[in-house]
Amino acid sequence: EVQLVESGGGLVKPGGSLRLSCAASGFTFSTSRMNWVRQAPGTGLEWVSSIRSSSSNIYYADSVKGRFTISRDNAKNSLYLQMNSLRAEDTAVYYCARRRVTPHGDAFDIWGQGTMVTVSS
Amino acid sequence: DIQMTQSPSSLSASVGDRVTITCQASQDITNYLNWYQQKPGKAPKLLIYDASNLETGVPSRFSGGGSGTDFTFTISSLQPEDIATYYCQQYDNFWTFGQGTKVEIK
Repeated sequence: EVQLVESGGGLVKPGGSLRLSCAASGFTFSTSRMNWVRQAPGTGLEWVSSIRSSSSNIYYADSVKGRFTISRDNAKNSLYLQMNSLRAEDTAVYYCARRRVTPHGDAFDIWGQGTMVTVSS
Repeated sequence: DIQMTQSPSSLSASVGDRVTITCQASQDITNYLNWYQQKPGKAPKLLIYDASNLETGVPSRFSGGGSGTDFTFTISSLQPEDIATYYCQQYDNFWTFGQGTKVEIK
């Protein structure tokens, strides 16, 4: 079964850190481009970060640049998001998603169930 | 940054109705646009890619169209299981989502 399972969310104080993980199964993770997308309570979707299969290209949204670090371990079929200097506005459900790139399109075709991050004192 | 504007933000329609959502990009994105469905408490699901291509396994009552800056998403005959929020997403320059359209049954 094709699956992404996030973990590591929780309650953290402003200025604190948290590391999210995403475990992949059922597809070839090592050749897949991966992303983090977040959704603040009651709001829409916001792309956070992207990493290519070999970690050669990494991108961040301006809202998290300099504070968040995306990484992956292809041997463990795992994606990570290290979040530092957390702010209240980082409170959201964080989803990992596979980016499928073909000659016919570019889309996030596999999503995890999400993990909730709450930043509050 | 490319901004995506969806309308309406919410709509209420009857079972069997034709429902249309629009998405406007702040600049030309050719056909680099996807549509997702998100049911309450669930992850988004890809429905349409490249503006008009139906993802495998998605019912044919869903369709998409448009190019450049103006796009449409249509449900030809609304079903109770279609209750969800729908998002457009551009991938011409990184990735940006529209603010979503919540679809409810009247």
